[in-house]
Amino acid sequence: AQSVTQLGSHVSVSEGALVLLRCNYSSSVPPYLFWYVQYPNQGLQLLLKYTSAATLVKGINGFEAEFKKSETSFHLTKPSAHMSDAAEYFCAVSDQGAGNMLTFGGGTRLMVKP
Amino acid sequence: DADVTQTPRNRITKTGKRIMLECSQTKGHDRMYWYRQDPGLGLRLIYYSFDVKDINKGEISDGYSVSRQAQAKFSLSLESAIPNQTALYFCATSDPPSGEETQYFGPGTRLLVL
Repeated sequence: AQSVTQLGSHVSVSEGALVLLRCNYSSSVPPYLFWYVQYPNQGLQLLLKYTSAATLVKGINGFEAEFKKSETSFHLTKPSAHMSDAAEYFCAVSDQGAGNMLTFGGGTRLMVKP
Repeated sequence: DADVTQTPRNRITKTGKRIMLECSQTKGHDRMYWYRQDPGLGLRLIYYSFDVKDINKGEISDGYSVSRQAQAKFSLSLESAIPNQTALYFCATSDPPSGEETQYFGPGTRLLVL
């Protein structure tokens, strides 16, 4: 079985500050890992994904994440927050051997203060 | 036009009523999924389908049924709606055999059961 834990259901940063959203996973097989973003009243949009290539993955809107196998982590970062980054962010793990099923974390709501 | 569409976008119904949520996709993907989103719980898988003849229960299928009418259409039914089925429902598609392991989401259907 796989699981995803996102530390902090709410994170607040000032505009221009570093964004760090934490994600830890458990998986019995090498995982695929995903970060999705959900803006208000919208569906989920893929930010970035790790599929066993480079461990540092760059995504859209200046976000990136680093896969650390020893720490079972896939934290999402952005050097400088923008007001438009305010949204809910979901980390998800896919077990390649189980039909591409996604298991989601509980989500982290990012608030950006002016 | 959006690749994954869901109808209706919002629905209010009463306890005991049967309702259907519909999903259509133009991505040509074989795999389709239904999730529900609840605050703090992320997204949880209700049903998934690998092709028209292959439908499987997900983590929380009780009280729900699905129909895969064609490759492009996957409907979710609540046979007798109850208040704890009030949630945001998402449809998604993917196609791992062709290298497309990312799941693409529709805009969601917000359901309120009174």
